[in-house]
Amino acid sequence: GNSVTQMEGPVTLSEEAFLTINCTYTATGYPSLFWYVQYPGEGLQLLLKATKADDKGSNKGFEATYRKETTSFHLEKGSVQVSDSAVYFCASKGDYGQNFVFGPGTRLSVLP
Amino acid sequence: GAGVSQTPSNKVTEKGKYVELRCDPISGHTALYWYRQSLGQGPEFLIYFQGTGAADDSGLPNDRFFAVRPEGSVSTLKIQRTERGDSAVYLCASSSSGRTSTDTQYFGPGTRLTVL
Repeated sequence: GNSVTQMEGPVTLSEEAFLTINCTYTATGYPSLFWYVQYPGEGLQLLLKATKADDKGSNKGFEATYRKETTSFHLEKGSVQVSDSAVYFCASKGDYGQNFVFGPGTRLSVLP
Repeated sequence: GAGVSQTPSNKVTEKGKYVELRCDPISGHTALYWYRQSLGQGPEFLIYFQGTGAADDSGLPNDRFFAVRPEGSVSTLKIQRTERGDSAVYLCASSSSGRTSTDTQYFGPGTRLTVL
């Protein structure tokens, strides 16, 4: 079955630092890949997604590229802000009838 | 409403009791999903509805858990004889079709269940 592995946290960065959160997946077929974010006290929100190899998803300064050759979907941001402090979840979804599979989440804390 | 809603937001119950958790998906979304999220972990799939029918219930941990969606809209997750290990946040999500891998799921705020 499908699975997702992401780097363990917590990750603590200073404001304006560069962020990378690693995510790798295993899947049959060609899944779509997603990053969801959960801000303190809030529900899961879609951050970005990519639906095929070499696609790049981007939103709010975050980017992730679907790399089929390395089965990866690493999340990056060039300059983090305090407001980016949250838990980030990598997820994959296969074709019809397949459910979402989430990674364990990576907690990011950005210090001023 | 604009998004997925879930009620109650918090539920505290005693071991052995029965609970019902409700999910109201985005209007028009045919696919509905239930997940369970334990502290410090990612959401864990429980069950997926396509319309009124459960297309995949392979994530339900045991027969104490049951879910329905009788009219293809609102869904209720039912837990019988609750145990302390059932304590978690129960998340509901909906998507427009669920039939393709590109279909985005939209999550509700969750119901925090505490079993004493």
